[in-house]
Amino acid sequence: RKEVEQDPGPFNVPEGATVAFNCTYSNSASQSFFWYRQDCRKEPKLLMSVYSSGNEDGRFTAQLNRASQYISLLIRDSKLSDSATYLCVVNSGGSNYKLTFGKGTLLTVNP
Amino acid sequence: EAGVVQSPRYKIIEKKQPVAFWCNPISGHNTLYWYRQNLGQGPELLIRYENEEAVDDSQLPKDRFSAERLKGVDSTLKIQPAELGDSAVYLCASSRRGNTIYFGEGSWLTVV
Repeated sequence: RKEVEQDPGPFNVPEGATVAFNCTYSNSASQSFFWYRQDCRKEPKLLMSVYSSGNEDGRFTAQLNRASQYISLLIRDSKLSDSATYLCVVNSGGSNYKLTFGKGTLLTVNP
Repeated sequence: EAGVVQSPRYKIIEKKQPVAFWCNPISGHNTLYWYRQNLGQGPELLIRYENEEAVDDSQLPKDRFSAERLKGVDSTLKIQPAELGDSAVYLCASSRRGNTIYFGEGSWLTVV
C-alpha cells in the first residue's frame, strides 16, 4: 500500500460546482497533514493545513479522520482559477517535517 | 521577501553527462530540501539538510547523485552520470524548522 493515496482523477466540473478530494495514508504515526496546490508547470504551494477538528478557509474545507486515516478537501462554488492539481501531503516526521506527497488529483473547472 | 531561487530553470543534456542544480533558500530558513517530481507524480524527497548537515538522505541514489550545503545556505545537487530516467523536475524547498515548506520553481531536466 502506498503511503499516501489520492483519488486518481482527473475531475472536470462546471463553475459553481462543489468538488471533493479524498486521500488516505498508511502511517498511523503521521502527525500533521496538508493540502498543497500545484498549477501547471509551477511549484507546489501550501493551500491549507488539515486539523482534527476540521477547518475552513473561505470556499475550502479540510477534514481529517485519524481513526480511518483519511483526509478530505471540499471546494464549494468552484471558480475557473481553482483549476490545478491538488496534492495531499502527510508529515510523519514531527517537527522534522518528513513530508510524503500523494500523486495529486487534477481539477479542471469549466466555464 | 525573496522566495526560493533555483537555477537553471531548464536543462537538456545527453545521457552520461553530468549536471548540477543550484538552490538559494529563503533567508533565515535553516532547513533545505531537494525533491524530485516525475511527470504525473507528487514530489519525492531526495535529501534534507538542517543547516549544513544532511539529516535525511535515505532516498538519494548515492551512486550517481550528490548534494552539498557547505555553509548552511546555498545548496547544489549533482547528477553524474545522468540517465534517461533522471528526466524530472528537481525542486528545492526551504523552511524554518517545523514550519511551512516553500518550494522554488524547480529545475526541469531532460536527458536525451
